[in-house]
Amino acid sequence: AQSVTQPDIHITVSEGASLELRCNYSYGATPYLFWYVQSPGQGLQLLLKYFSGDTLVQGIKGFEAEFKRSQSSFNLRKPSVHWSDAAEYFCAVVIGGYQKVTFGTGTKLQVIP
Amino acid sequence: KAGVTQTPRYLIKTRGQQVTLSCSPISGHRSVSWYQQTPGQGLQFLFEYFSETQRNKGNFPGRFSGRQFSNSRSEMNVSTLELGDSALYLCASTGSGNSGNTIYFGEGSWLTVV
Repeated sequence: AQSVTQPDIHITVSEGASLELRCNYSYGATPYLFWYVQSPGQGLQLLLKYFSGDTLVQGIKGFEAEFKRSQSSFNLRKPSVHWSDAAEYFCAVVIGGYQKVTFGTGTKLQVIP
Repeated sequence: KAGVTQTPRYLIKTRGQQVTLSCSPISGHRSVSWYQQTPGQGLQFLFEYFSETQRNKGNFPGRFSGRQFSNSRSEMNVSTLELGDSALYLCASTGSGNSGNTIYFGEGSWLTVV
């Protein structure tokens, strides 16, 4: 069965520092890959997605992610974190043609001054 | 265009009651899926509908059901509520064509069972 692993449950970074959130998936083929962000009490907002092509994808709010097939990874990065980025981040995969999303367990990001 | 709209946003029910949650997808989207989010279990897939037909179903008891109407709006129902059903229920819609399989979520319906 497909699975998504986010090994970091909680990450704390200083404002202005760089950020990398890790995501690994387990599936035979390359699934569709997504990163979502959830602020407290809110729904999920799509940050970026990867379907095919260029392995470095740009998203909203200055985020980017790099797909590495050899490592089955899709890590999320941001060069300079802002206090407003504090939220929970979910990596997700979808098998092509089926609209069932499998989510990772999420990474809570805390930003300190 | 408007995003995914879920109603109600917040509700409190008593054990044993039933609840119906509504979801209006993004205009033109025909696929609607539902997810349950709890602190202990995370985000779990409930079911997905396309053109009024359930295409996928998660591992939830039969108390959880859903349907989709001809205008793509969807409802989910939970009967005989249990305390453990307290959760954030998220609806998502998926477009086709240029938007591919991108899945957009609503703000969710917060259900508290007391």
